[in-house]
Amino acid sequence: AQSVAQPEDQVNVAEGNPLTVKCTYSVSGNPYLFWYVQYPNRGLQFLLKYITGDNLVKGSYGFEAEFNKSQTSFHLKKPSALVSDSALYFCAVMNTGGFKTIFGAGTRLFVKA
Amino acid sequence: SAVISQKPSRDICQRGTSLTIQCQVDSQVTMMFWYRQQPGQSLTLIATANQGSEATYESGFVIDKFPISRPNLTFSTLTVSNMSPEDSSIYLCSGGQGGANEKLFFGSGTQLSVL
Repeated sequence: AQSVAQPEDQVNVAEGNPLTVKCTYSVSGNPYLFWYVQYPNRGLQFLLKYITGDNLVKGSYGFEAEFNKSQTSFHLKKPSALVSDSALYFCAVMNTGGFKTIFGAGTRLFVKA
Repeated sequence: SAVISQKPSRDICQRGTSLTIQCQVDSQVTMMFWYRQQPGQSLTLIATANQGSEATYESGFVIDKFPISRPNLTFSTLTVSNMSPEDSSIYLCSGGQGGANEKLFFGSGTQLSVL
């Protein structure tokens, strides 16, 4: 069975500093990995995905994620955080049939001005 | 991309009643799913809505409690039946084309409170 783990409930970072939100995965076969963001009182939005190819994936709003097969990780990163990045971030894995998506527990990011 | 409209956006219901949530996609999507989310918590998959056939439910969810319909590629409904306070949650509809290259689109959710 596919699963993802987000070890941090909350990440705090100062505006302008780099941020990392951690995610590890457990899948059989090739992983299809995603990051989604949920802003307060809004629905989930897609940020980026890794299917195959380059290990560094670039997404929306300046975010990127690094796929590391040996460490089974897919950490979300941004070189310089903005206050407006404060939100709930979910790592997710799509099963190898390419159908249902399973979400991690979520990590709340607080960016302080 | 697809835009998903979900209604109602919120409702307050009495114990023992049922509520039907509607999900309309502005374009045809192969896959539709229903999730449940406690505020600030993770999403739990309830079921996959299959067009023209019975939905595929995840462990812990049953058709009698959460009947789902999907008559075509752009519309689905989820009914929360015989509600109890434990059903209070946010219910999210999502859709996508499926397959390795596709992301999910989400509705804005239905916030349900059961008294």
